[in-house]
Order: sequence, then C-alpha cells, then structure tokens
Amino acid sequence: GQQLNQSPQSMFIQEGEDVSMNCTSSSIFNTWLWYKQDPGEGPVLLIALYKAGELTSNGRLTAQFGITRKDSFLNISASIPSDVGIYFCAGQVRDSGNTPLVFGKGTRLSVIA
Amino acid sequence: DSGVTQTPKHLITATGQRVTLRCSPRSGDLSVYWYQQSLDQGLQFLIQYYNGEERAKGNILERFSAQQFPDLHSELNLSSLELGDSALYFCASSPHSGGARNEQFFGPGTRLTVL
Repeated sequence: GQQLNQSPQSMFIQEGEDVSMNCTSSSIFNTWLWYKQDPGEGPVLLIALYKAGELTSNGRLTAQFGITRKDSFLNISASIPSDVGIYFCAGQVRDSGNTPLVFGKGTRLSVIA
Repeated sequence: DSGVTQTPKHLITATGQRVTLRCSPRSGDLSVYWYQQSLDQGLQFLIQYYNGEERAKGNILERFSAQQFPDLHSELNLSSLELGDSALYFCASSPHSGGARNEQFFGPGTRLTVL
C-alpha cells in the first residue's frame, strides 16, 4: 500500500530559526496537505497543494508540491514558541473514486525561547 | 474551530464494553471520515461515509462499525473493547466524496481509555 515517509521525526530549534521538513511517498500523489496538531487537539489544516511544482504560502509557512509528485516540503520561517506541535503531511490520489488520505507519522517541533 | 464537533471529549470504560462516539460534520459537508490515533502514532484511517453510504474502508476492525444518518451526523461504534483500543478517535469532514479541493477538516477528537 501507499506509504509516506516524513522527516525529521523531531526537531529542536531556537526561536527565530527557520525550519524545513519533508515528506516522500512511494506512490504518486495528486494532492498534498499539511496539518499541525497541538497536544490533545485535532489536526488543523495549514496548506493544501494540488499541482506539481506548486508553491503556496500561509503567513510564515510555505509548502511545495514536488515536481515528481512523490514529495512535498514545508518550511517555517522565523519560528516562534506557538509553532510547537506535530506537523503531519498527508497525500491523496485524486481520482473519480474514493481514496483516503495517507498520513505521515509526523514531525514533532520544539522551539526553545 | 473547524466546525466539526465530536462528543464525548473523554470516555473511560472497561474491557469488553461497547461505546459510541458521535460526530457532526461542518455545515454543508457530506463526507465524514473516522481516524484512530494511538500514542505517538500517526493517523490511521478507519472508514468514510458519504451522504449516508459507506465509501471507503481502511484498517477498521470487525469489532468496530460506523454509520451516517440522514442529518449527516455519524457514529462510530466500538465493541468488545480491548486495552489496545485506547486512543484518540478523530472525525473529519469534507464537502464531497472525493475529487478536487476536497480538504478534510478535523474535529477535536474523543480520547478513549479502556481499563
């Protein structure tokens, strides 16, 4: 079945630093979504990507849909303490049927003030 | 606030028991998805309903079942509970059954503890 490898598993960074994380797939995806989850809460959608090569920003967050359609990247600039949480990538094969989202195992981000 | 509501927030029960988790999707969304998240694990897709009908099935145990009602709310039934069923259970909703721009929005989850 489809698998997503998300890296790194965890990161410790200083406040103000930039962050990069990525997700790779063994299959081609037509949709990439990035979510953030705070402890005990539901994942919150950050960015959605629908086209190979697409680069989309949401404030200090920027995500890219890889050209091969097998990977995606999320960058956070000038990190702040509230960026702490787990970031999940999710991919989906968009077709006429129903294919559920496949989630990566997450990147746990810790920000040191 | 995603607009997806889930009840209860917390549930503590014993092994062998049966529980029902409830989800109300965002207004206008026709699809409901159920996910299980165990400690330090990613989200495992369980099942999807669209406008009252089952549309996709993931790694859902036979002891688990779900349904979507005419008002589009959904219930996930977990029976013969085992210790390993302790997890966060999330519901998500989206406008369509699949296709373009069909982002899923998650509820706050139900934390199930089986003792």
